[in-house]
Amino acid sequence: KNEVEQSPQNLTAQEGEFITINCSYSVGISALHWLQQHPGGGIVSLFMLSSGKKKHGRLIATINIQEKHSSLHITASHPRDSAVYICAVRSAIQGAQKLVFGQGTRLTINP
Amino acid sequence: DTGVSQDPRHKITKRGQNVTFRCDPISEHNRLYWYRQTLGQGPEFLTYFQNEAQLEKSRLLSDRFSAERPKGSFSTLEIQRTEQGDSAMYLCASSYGGLDGYTFGSGTRLTVV
Repeated sequence: KNEVEQSPQNLTAQEGEFITINCSYSVGISALHWLQQHPGGGIVSLFMLSSGKKKHGRLIATINIQEKHSSLHITASHPRDSAVYICAVRSAIQGAQKLVFGQGTRLTINP
Repeated sequence: DTGVSQDPRHKITKRGQNVTFRCDPISEHNRLYWYRQTLGQGPEFLTYFQNEAQLEKSRLLSDRFSAERPKGSFSTLEIQRTEQGDSAMYLCASSYGGLDGYTFGSGTRLTVV
């Protein structure tokens, strides 16, 4: 079992729909990242969370440390939101710096 | 500052050849990371530098792989005697102090034919 599991693996929705992508992890963490990757490979960091909730525009990220679970929500989805969304965690072990990634969720928003 | 730069963007090489990739991090960032991403998968950690010191290497980094960051600024990743299984996207990222979010480069896509 991977340390970081995302669901769903693929998600297709209509423009305007509310989107939720889930991330569960099995290790103690110091931080969780949500990342966006467009075709061509470039990765953009959307959020870094260690507790609670963060909002940026139409994107909202939440984390429940006790349940080892995070969600990424997109409100009023738009075709330009189509991308792969990746959850990644940084271990709570002192000195740990590397990220462990989920396999990604491929989101397609149809007009 | 233009973010994290990686060069080249694409590389096609014949099996058995050596290749070298370069990463220029954000200038204030003291930490630099290399990851590898194969098709349909999330990135996997390869190695990490703090300044010029290579502090961690993954078991994925076989003897054919070597990474350097000689002056604590740019880094190079060399793959010797490339194999078809080395075909992947090689991603570089940098951060400062470990508390800030990562900044990723656009990656170098390697195809070994």
